[in-house]
Amino acid sequence: NAGVTQTPKFQVLKTGQSMTLQCAQDMNHEYMSWYRQDPGMGLRLIHYSVGAGITDQGEVPNGYNVSRSTTEDFPLRLLSAAPSQTSVYFCASSYDGGGAGELFFGEGSRLTVL
Amino acid sequence: KQEVTQIPAALSVPEGENLVLNCSFTDSAIYNLQWFRQDPGKGLTSLLLIQSSQREQTSGRLNASLDKSSGRSTLYIAASQPGDSATYLCGGSTGTASKLTFGTGTRLQVTL
Repeated sequence: NAGVTQTPKFQVLKTGQSMTLQCAQDMNHEYMSWYRQDPGMGLRLIHYSVGAGITDQGEVPNGYNVSRSTTEDFPLRLLSAAPSQTSVYFCASSYDGGGAGELFFGEGSRLTVL
Repeated sequence: KQEVTQIPAALSVPEGENLVLNCSFTDSAIYNLQWFRQDPGKGLTSLLLIQSSQREQTSGRLNASLDKSSGRSTLYIAASQPGDSATYLCGGSTGTASKLTFGTGTRLQVTL
């Protein structure tokens, strides 16, 4: 099993550009989520999904869009990139069967917005 | 809203020492508490998960405890090694596992 796979690992954007961060998991997990990690602020939840076709907002959803058409994939779209979105983005998944929900993370995608 | 605090922010200990990392949370209705390790430039690796019905979990030299009434969790590392050097994060959930609220981590350095 590859676990949680994120692409790209590094990306540089100009202000106003759009892009999609890809996340795929091969563990048949129902729950998937996106976090951003910023110095001194820890990880903050952007969006999450409890299954295919179901998504919801986390703590910092503005400027980001998600969809979940399959169990395996959970892409994160930046609609119009801003310098404040410079961060490291992590995708995570969990099977969360009745509370035994260990969270598994990808290696991260480092985004710089100029 | 759940808030999670980790103190100290950084810790340096000599090899072989036993140590305790602390994690405090504000909402006692915590569903589960997970400890992670993060190496520089890498993702988070799960170390231990404690569910609300449990008081502790052990894996090798690691032992994590959860005290919901006091709003605290501790990660005990026995006989520390240089390879234990990393940032340790705790995350607590009051709902599904995907919705963890994280502390800012403790950066541990184990010296020879």
